[in-house]
Amino acid sequence: AQSVTQLGSHVSVSEGALVLLRCNYSSSVPPYLFWYVQYPNQGLQLLLKYTSAATLVKGINGFEAEFKKSETSFHLTKPSAHMSDAAEYFCAVSEPGGYNKLIFGAGTRLAVHP
Amino acid sequence: GAGVSQSPSNKVTEKGKDVELRCDPISGHTALYWYRQSLGQGLEFLIYFQGNSAPDKSGLPSDRFSAERTGGSVSTLTIQRTQQEDSAVYLCASSLVLRAADTQYFGPGTRLTVL
Repeated sequence: AQSVTQLGSHVSVSEGALVLLRCNYSSSVPPYLFWYVQYPNQGLQLLLKYTSAATLVKGINGFEAEFKKSETSFHLTKPSAHMSDAAEYFCAVSEPGGYNKLIFGAGTRLAVHP
Repeated sequence: GAGVSQSPSNKVTEKGKDVELRCDPISGHTALYWYRQSLGQGLEFLIYFQGNSAPDKSGLPSDRFSAERTGGSVSTLTIQRTQQEDSAVYLCASSLVLRAADTQYFGPGTRLTVL
């Protein structure tokens, strides 16, 4: 069965610093990969997704992620954090050829301090 | 355009009561999904619909849970004889088609509290 591991349940960065949120998947077949963001009391919003095209994926709000098959990773980065980036971030996978069931990681809460 | 909407936004109920949670997907989206978000279990997939059909109900936590979709649009998730462990945020999502890479758009969720 597929699973997703997000290393670090809480990450804290200074405003303007690099954001790095880690995601690893376990699957023998490279899955489709997604990053979602959840602001307080809101639903999930898609930041970006990997669907077997370019391995470096650019998303909204200046975020990007790189698919590395050899490391089974899909880490999310942003060069310079803004206060508005404070939220919870979820990595998710779905199985190619499947019915779009998303399997989520446990989430990483990002805090941005001045 | 309008996104996915869910109602009610909050529901407080007593143990043993039945509850109905409603989801209105984005117009024209043929696929609809229900997830549950709880402190102990994180985000769990519950069920999906292709049109009005739900081919796989194995993600539902127990036989107290059921879901239906009518007219290829609105979906209702029903929990019978609620238990305290049912307390969670129930999220609905929809996508244009049922395909593994298709983006799912999420609603704001219904926060269910069982006393």
